[in-house]
Amino acid sequence: GDSVTQMEGPVTLSEEAFLTINCTYTATGYPSLFWYVQYPGEGLQLLLKATKADDKGSNKGFEATYRKETTSFHLEKGSVQVSDSAVYFCATNTNAGKSTFGDGTTLTVKP
Amino acid sequence: ETGVTQTPRHLVMGMTNKKSLKCEQHLGHNAMYWYKQSAKKPLELMFVYSLEERVENNSVPSRFSPECPNSSHLFLHLHTLQPEDSALYLCASSQEWGRFNTEAFFGQGTRLTVV
Repeated sequence: GDSVTQMEGPVTLSEEAFLTINCTYTATGYPSLFWYVQYPGEGLQLLLKATKADDKGSNKGFEATYRKETTSFHLEKGSVQVSDSAVYFCATNTNAGKSTFGDGTTLTVKP
Repeated sequence: ETGVTQTPRHLVMGMTNKKSLKCEQHLGHNAMYWYKQSAKKPLELMFVYSLEERVENNSVPSRFSPECPNSSHLFLHLHTLQPEDSALYLCASSQEWGRFNTEAFFGQGTRLTVV
């Protein structure tokens, strides 16, 4: 079946550090890939997405590239801020109506 | 503004109570979803509605009963719950079920505590 594996957390970084959160997936067909973010006390919201191989999604300084050959969609940011502290979810969608979420990675950024 | 509104934000109920969670979206989306988010567990998809018809029911106990009267509203009726049902219940919508390149829009969730 479909699955999404994310880097285990929690991840703790100092402000302005470089962030990578790894995500790999298995899916039937040719999925679209998403990163969602959940701030404390809130629901999930879309951070970025990519719908075909080699596409790069980007938003708010975050980036992820759809790598079909390695079935990966790693999230990166060059310089994190305290306000980036949240839980990050990697997810896939297939055209069979199937959405699969990773377990989430908690990021804490310290001043 | 999220576009998907859930009420109430917090709910405490006894095991013999009956309550309902409400979700509303005015994004013109045709698909709506209920998810359960428990501490230290993956996000669990409970129900999917497409054009007001239930298309997915992931082995959810009958004490959870969904209702979708129109494409803008979704309810989750709760009765005789157990303490392990305490969780954050998230509603989401998307443009079309099965459209793989569109994202889900989530509400802020209802934090449910069963005592």
